[in-house]
Amino acid sequence: DVKVTQSSRYLVKRTGEKVFLECVQDMDHENMFWYRQDPGLGLRLIYFSYDVKMKEKGDIPEGYSVSREKKERFSLILESASTNQTSMYLCASSLYRPHEQYFGPGTRLTVT
Amino acid sequence: AQSVAQPEDQVNVAEGNPLTVKCTYSVSGNPYLFWYVQYPNRGLQFLLKYITGDNLVKGSYGFEAEFNKSQTSFHLKKPSALVSDSALYFCAVRDRDFQKLVFGTGTRLLVSP
Repeated sequence: DVKVTQSSRYLVKRTGEKVFLECVQDMDHENMFWYRQDPGLGLRLIYFSYDVKMKEKGDIPEGYSVSREKKERFSLILESASTNQTSMYLCASSLYRPHEQYFGPGTRLTVT
Repeated sequence: AQSVAQPEDQVNVAEGNPLTVKCTYSVSGNPYLFWYVQYPNRGLQFLLKYITGDNLVKGSYGFEAEFNKSQTSFHLKKPSALVSDSALYFCAVRDRDFQKLVFGTGTRLLVSP
C-alpha cells in the first residue's frame, strides 16, 4: 500500500513565523501535491511537483513556497505565517498525472 | 475551465436505504472523473474513477458511480447505506492540461441507524 506521511497532525504557530510542513511518500511516485482544505471551499491546490527540483504553481500559491530536493519528500513553506493560513493542509502523491492520488492524514495548522 | 459541482452540502439517509451523492461536471473534451472519501480526521481516500468505457463504475466499499454524458453528471451511489459510510465525499475532474485534479466543495453524508 502507498503510504504518505506528514510530519505533524496538529501545529500551532504565531503570526510571522516561518513554517515548514513536510510530506514523505514511500512508493517512488513522480508527482506530489499540496492542498489546503477549508469548509465550504473543498480542496484547493497550492503547489505541485512532477519531478525532483521541479515545481508548478497551483490555484492559490500566494504566501507559500515549496521544496523538492528528493523524490520522496515534498515540503510546503509558509514564509511568514498569517492568520488566514489557518487551515487543514493535505499532501498527496500519484504515479501518473493526474490519475488517482494518495493522500496523507493532513496537518491542521493554526496561526495565532 | 474544468469544474465540478456538488449541489448538496449534506445528504441524510437511514441505514439500509440506498444513497446518492450528486456531482455534475463542466469540461471541454472527454472527462476523467473521480470520487474520494474523507473519514473524520483522515486524509482523502480514492473510491473510484471514470476514464472511458462502461458508464457504471464500481469502486471500493460497495460504492459505484454512474457517468451520464447527456446530463453531465457523475453521481455516487450505494444500494444499502451503512452508518460507517458517514463521511465527507469529494468529486474531482482532471483539468484540461492533464496535470492536476479539480475538486468539488464536498458533500457530507450522514447515515443514521
